[in-house]
Amino acid sequence: AQSVTQLDSQVPVFEEAPVELRCNYSSSVSVYLFWYVQYPNQGLQLLLKYLSGSTLVKGINGFEAEFNKSQTSFHLRKPSVHISDTAEYFCAVAIRNKLTFGGGTRVLVKP
Amino acid sequence: DADVTQTPRNRITKTGKRIMLECSQTKGHDRMYWYRQDPGLGLRLIYYSFDVKDINKGEISDGYSVSRQAQAKFSLSLESAIPNQTALYFCATRRGTDTQYFGPGTRLTVL
Repeated sequence: AQSVTQLDSQVPVFEEAPVELRCNYSSSVSVYLFWYVQYPNQGLQLLLKYLSGSTLVKGINGFEAEFNKSQTSFHLRKPSVHISDTAEYFCAVAIRNKLTFGGGTRVLVKP
Repeated sequence: DADVTQTPRNRITKTGKRIMLECSQTKGHDRMYWYRQDPGLGLRLIYYSFDVKDINKGEISDGYSVSRQAQAKFSLSLESAIPNQTALYFCATRRGTDTQYFGPGTRLTVL
């Protein structure tokens, strides 16, 4: 069975500083990888996804993620965060039409 | 108008009551999913359906049932609600291997 681990439950960061959210997964088969964002009191919105091809994936709002097959990781990065990036971020793995989610990382951007 | 809607958005009920959460979509997707979100656990799959005649259990289906009334409608029922079913519930839709799109969520509290 696959699993997804988000290594940080909370990440405080100052405005305009870079942020990296870590995600590791375990699976015995090839996977599709996703990052979703949940703003306060809202549903989940897709940030980016890796299906195949280039291992560096660019998403919305200036986010990007890099797929590393040897380390089974899919870390999310943004070079300069804004207050509006305060949210919870979820890494997810898709296998056979089902998504498995990590526990989430809360990002709090401070002025 | 939202592509995936959920009703109600908030519900408080008592232990032992029967509750139905409804999900409708206008995206024309064949696949629909129900998840629950708990702090620190991410989203966990309750049930999913690939078409009107196809219903499948997810990882935490005990205590829940579903009905796919039409391609656009997928409802989740708690036959006899218990306090540990207090959670945020999300419906999602998907076509083929495309991205899952999430509704805004239903916050359920069982007293």
